[in-house]
Amino acid sequence: DIQMTQSPSSLSASAGDRVTITCRASQSIASYLNWYQQKPGKAPKLLIYGASSLQSGVPSRFGGSGSGTDFTLTITSLQPEDFATYYCQQSYSTPRITFGPGTKVHIK
Amino acid sequence: DVQLLESGGGLVQPGGSLRLSCAASGFTFSNYAMNWVRQAPGKGLEWVSAISGSGSTTFYADSVKGRFTISRDNSNNTLYLQMTSLRADDTAVYYCAKVIEGIAAAGGDYYAMDVWGQGTTVTVSS
Repeated sequence: DIQMTQSPSSLSASAGDRVTITCRASQSIASYLNWYQQKPGKAPKLLIYGASSLQSGVPSRFGGSGSGTDFTLTITSLQPEDFATYYCQQSYSTPRITFGPGTKVHIK
Repeated sequence: DVQLLESGGGLVQPGGSLRLSCAASGFTFSNYAMNWVRQAPGKGLEWVSAISGSGSTTFYADSVKGRFTISRDNSNNTLYLQMTSLRADDTAVYYCAKVIEGIAAAGGDYYAMDVWGQGTTVTVSS
């Protein structure tokens, strides 16, 4: 199975900050990497697919990059509604997909 | 509006059974593969099962293989998850999710879940 790790596991940030979350795969997954946002009590929401493609309706302050084993989700100017948990997910071994453990973004 | 609505969750004793449903609307259901994903209390997301658009191909996580069965009724736009021999560690919120796949603008393939239901809670406890 492909294992996914994320760092940090949590971070504190202020509105307006630039935030970077890293995801690493246990083997090369090319660009088969997606990012989701989840708020408490809600379903996950797709932000980025194919490592760098922005899902329709998602604000342009969200961006994804990377290929192979190392990936990054960047939020260029954190907004109050962005405080949430973020998960990466590999789809290289489709349909046996796996998720990272999540990164919780707290208000500083 | 594209929508998924789960139902069927509840409290069940260990060893019991439950069937979850996911009613789809706003898209051509049979054109899309579907997944079930679960989230144990306070934990992360875990893929459970997948089914092709036609229903002819199914996949399961090792943790549920032999106990859970995924199926779909394309004439009624409904996805199902039949769960048997339930254990305490099956306790979770269960989400159904619509799959999108294709070739991204950057040129690579993608497989992602673009629409999720609100989730239904399954609690396995005596």
